[in-house]
Amino acid sequence: DGGITQSPKYLFRKEGQNVTLSCEQNLNHDAMYWYRQDPGQGLRLIYYSQIVNDFQKGDIAEGYSVSREKKESFPLTVTSAQKNPTAFYLCASSSQTGTNTEAFFGQGTRLTVV
Amino acid sequence: KNQVEQSPQSLIILEGKNCTLQCNYTVSPFSNLRWYKQDTGRGPVSLTIMTFSENTKSNGRYTATLDADTKQSSLHITASQLSDSASYICVVSGGGSYIPTFGRGTSLIVHP
Repeated sequence: DGGITQSPKYLFRKEGQNVTLSCEQNLNHDAMYWYRQDPGQGLRLIYYSQIVNDFQKGDIAEGYSVSREKKESFPLTVTSAQKNPTAFYLCASSSQTGTNTEAFFGQGTRLTVV
Repeated sequence: KNQVEQSPQSLIILEGKNCTLQCNYTVSPFSNLRWYKQDTGRGPVSLTIMTFSENTKSNGRYTATLDADTKQSSLHITASQLSDSASYICVVSGGGSYIPTFGRGTSLIVHP
């Protein structure tokens, strides 16, 4: 089935550790995004990528890093520099042609610091 | 600055009742507006998309309206069901960027 897959669904991190969240899509979309969602809050953009080997910081990029070595993959690393990483993380992808582009979302990864 | 404001922030209704959620935006120039439904702990799923020339669009019991002149949209849910309990997010594209602007969402709870 075509879609966007995030893994793992739940992730626990000890303080001081880096962790990497996986995001894979087989929709042939050029653009991919990472969002963070806190309880009662809207989605905030962390990083986005329009094309392979290129990515841009979003509104809350500090403490995060990404890579885009393949069109299908856009992993997000939550580094130890992120002081409050406990949140729900959503990955999305979209095509960039036409005016009716839709962002497709993964099922999310819930990260908890223990 | 591109902004999307949703109201109310939360809403509780009884099963079978209707409700309307509001979305106001400042995104300009306007490209399209989407309503997403997000179940707890899951990713958002698109319900409807509206472009500049569309005033009303339905998807089952969901009906979205758009007034591009006043930059307002609404999502009307008819004969609510328990499964409608979710967060409803308004997303507007345009503003000179392909990055969409998200509203904070309206949390809807449907009680039996």
